[in-house]
Amino acid sequence: NAGVTQTPKFQVLKTGQSMTLQCAQDMNHEYMSWYRQDPGMGLRLIHYSVGAGITDQGEVPNGYNVSRSTTEDFPLRLLSAAPSQTSVYFCASSYSDRRRESPLHFGNGTRLTVT
Amino acid sequence: GNSVTQMEGPVTLSEEAFLTINCTYTATGYPSLFWYVQYPGEGLQLLLKATKADDKGSNKGFEATYRKETTSFHLEKGSVQVSDSAVYFCALYSGSARQLTFGSGTQLTVLP
Repeated sequence: NAGVTQTPKFQVLKTGQSMTLQCAQDMNHEYMSWYRQDPGMGLRLIHYSVGAGITDQGEVPNGYNVSRSTTEDFPLRLLSAAPSQTSVYFCASSYSDRRRESPLHFGNGTRLTVT
Repeated sequence: GNSVTQMEGPVTLSEEAFLTINCTYTATGYPSLFWYVQYPGEGLQLLLKATKADDKGSNKGFEATYRKETTSFHLEKGSVQVSDSAVYFCALYSGSARQLTFGSGTQLTVLP
């Protein structure tokens, strides 16, 4: 019963490098999302998807791209890493974003440092 | 827009003490309210929820009541344990925004 799986757990990048954070869920959830967690700021929504082929921007989308080619996978791409993107990134999914009581299931996070 | 305000931490308590973590919100319509908990090195997990006014959510000895008149959803536990040490996040779901909005989190440390 894997739930939401994120890889890698840790990553160090140099400014200007690109990389992809992977997220996969095995619960057949429609809704998937990416958050970043920064001290004192809680979690902020980067991008989300309500189904395969559908993505939309959250609160802080700049510098990140996403795609959703399958129900299971929702990768987050950093196009040109900047020190301001140093953060802990969480992928989360739920059965549906239209259900008020549908809770989010979170992965264990990716700690990214950009030097 | 929607927002969630939590009491600032960190909060440090002795084992068996009473816990309250305050949470107030601003939202349009009638949001659902949640408390999530994050243990060290892990992602967030749902602790409890309430979907309408006067509902009480409860789990693992924690409780929170959805108070529409005071726009609050305070988290309480009568007797905390060392294993309750974690970061607690209050959150709301608004049907109009179709997104979860999180508070900034409250770090709780329980000492033996």
